[in-house]
Amino acid sequence: DAGVTQSPTHLIKTRGQQVTLRCSPISGHKSVSWYQQVLGQGPQFIFQYYEKEERGRGNFPDRFSARQFPNYSSELNVNALLLGDSALYLCASSLVFQTSSYEQYFGPGTRLTVT
Amino acid sequence: QKEVEQDPGPLSVPEGAIVSLNCTYSNSAFQYFMWYRQYSRKGPELLMYTYSSGNKEDGRFTAQVDKSSKYISLFIRDSQPSDSATYLCAMISGGYNKLIFGAGTRLAVHP
Repeated sequence: DAGVTQSPTHLIKTRGQQVTLRCSPISGHKSVSWYQQVLGQGPQFIFQYYEKEERGRGNFPDRFSARQFPNYSSELNVNALLLGDSALYLCASSLVFQTSSYEQYFGPGTRLTVT
Repeated sequence: QKEVEQDPGPLSVPEGAIVSLNCTYSNSAFQYFMWYRQYSRKGPELLMYTYSSGNKEDGRFTAQVDKSSKYISLFIRDSQPSDSATYLCAMISGGYNKLIFGAGTRLAVHP
């Protein structure tokens, strides 16, 4: 069975540009979450989507946005890139959106470098 | 103060040693406690999860949760070089499943 897939693997952008990252959850999983992991730190929650609706948002500026499609895949968009946005962006999928859905499975991540 | 504190290490042990990894937390609402393993330049891999207080064992791994002390641990028995990775603790409070991570502890098991 395929796990969580993310594209692209690596990305280099310039300050001020915009970027779109993509995620496909595990087959049958309906919830997708996005996390940002800066080097040397643990992942930080950005968004959670379930059934195409935003169910949670972390402490990130409005430059970050996301959406989920009918097939449960998701995109994360970041506008007006800053140097501090350089990080590993992780997508996690889970079966449902409930307290008991603690089993979140992560993809390999997209490494974004902003120069 | 961070919600979850984890010593970043690095922790270096010889093959076969028992490894103890720990996290403390401040939010008493946390109910689910997870341990993830992350190899370099890879996504985190779910190792174990525990609900509320108690112990859980899976092969060479044992997770412990002490909610009264707000302290969780992961023990690795008979450590192997393949266990060399960063270990992340993560927690969820009731009502939604936003994971709150510790900073991760880097573990190196040398032959």
